[in-house]
Parts: sequence; C-alpha cells; structure tokens
Amino acid sequence: DQQVKQNSPSLSVQEGRISILNCDYTNSMFDYFLWYKKYPAEGPTFLISISSIKDKNEDGRFTVFLNKSAKHLSLHIVPSQPGDSAVYFCAASAYLTGNQFYFGTGTSLTVIP
Amino acid sequence: DVKVTQSSRYLVKRTGEKVFLECVQDMDHENMFWYRQDPGLGLRLIYFSYDVKMKEKGDIPEGYSVSREKKERFSLILESASTNQTSMYLCASSAGGINTGELFFGEGSRLTVL
Repeated sequence: DQQVKQNSPSLSVQEGRISILNCDYTNSMFDYFLWYKKYPAEGPTFLISISSIKDKNEDGRFTVFLNKSAKHLSLHIVPSQPGDSAVYFCAASAYLTGNQFYFGTGTSLTVIP
Repeated sequence: DVKVTQSSRYLVKRTGEKVFLECVQDMDHENMFWYRQDPGLGLRLIYFSYDVKMKEKGDIPEGYSVSREKKERFSLILESASTNQTSMYLCASSAGGINTGELFFGEGSRLTVL
C-alpha cells in the first residue's frame, strides 16, 4: 500500500509562473519529509526538506509547506524556469522506521519557455 | 561533494543469469540503500544496510540479495534474473543516525533482462 502519494503524474507551467507540486501521506508517524528532483538517466538529487516541527521551509525559489492535520505537503517553485523541468519525488520517513524513506510515484514537471 | 558511484550504467542480461550491481560511496556514510524505479510506482526500497555486514529487507526484497563487506561498498545481487526485474536500479547512501537527513543517490543502473 502506497504510504506516500503524488496524485498528479504530470504538470505543465509557463516560465516565470508558480509551480505547485502536491504530495499526500497516510502514516501519521512520518516526521521528516524531503523533495527530490530527477533528470532522465540521472539519479535523484536532494532539493529541500522539512521536519514535522515546522510548517514551512524556504530555500531560494523553492518552498515546502507541510499541513500535518491534512497529511499533505506541497512544493512551490517561484518563478519556474525551463531548467526546473524534471520529475519530482516526495519522500517521508519516521523516527520509528529508522532510515527507511518512503517515496511517492513522482510528478513530471514541464516548464514551457 | 558526496559521490555515489554505480559500476554499470546500462546492462543487458538473459533470464536466469546471475547479476551483480555494485555501488561505492566515498563519504564514509553508515547507511546504504538499493531502490528500483519503475514508471507509475516511484522508488521502492529493496534492501538497506546501516553497518558493515548488516542488512535489512525493504519493501520488495524477493529475488534479490545484498552484500556489504566494506563500509563504502554495497552490492545488489540478482541470483537468477527474470524479465520482471527489468528496471532502473538506484543506490543511495546517508550519514548515520536515525532519520537524520538526505539520501545521496548514484546515477542509476538500467538493467534489461531478456
């Protein structure tokens, strides 16, 4: 059973606009969340993370929001650039599961110039 | 910079062959992981290891085994490859401690089993 879900397989956004990628999870024990970016034929690279003690974390153009009551997190990219076109995975882990991360199925973002 | 190196980017094997996928990391990380990535399924954990000679099953260990004889090296073994093991295999590592941070991934090994 998928504990981390990304319900949008793809998203297209115009350059300069905001990209919003969503992620839902079912396990209330998850307390650490990450976003990864993956280009074709490359491994995923870490983008941004958030701990459950926070509801927002910002790093340049990237902001992650966490809504624990809704078990939902989102990644905002502002402004979107063509180089942001990639597959984005969210991941979650829980203290009690040690270092096991659970990944979503990914959202393919296309930023149109 | 952390570097995770996977020995083969592309492999083509026949059904029934034994397949070794090698992974080496150079940052003295305690934890190492093997995932497979399939369309529509995301990344699924096969095995992980938090110390030399230690291994733990992930979500889909069937048909796979692993070896960690040295801290920097984590090998994934397909004892008898099958067509449903055609996939992208990703190795990752992370620093020690529970739930402490990010995974660093290798570039992946694309395995095709005919």
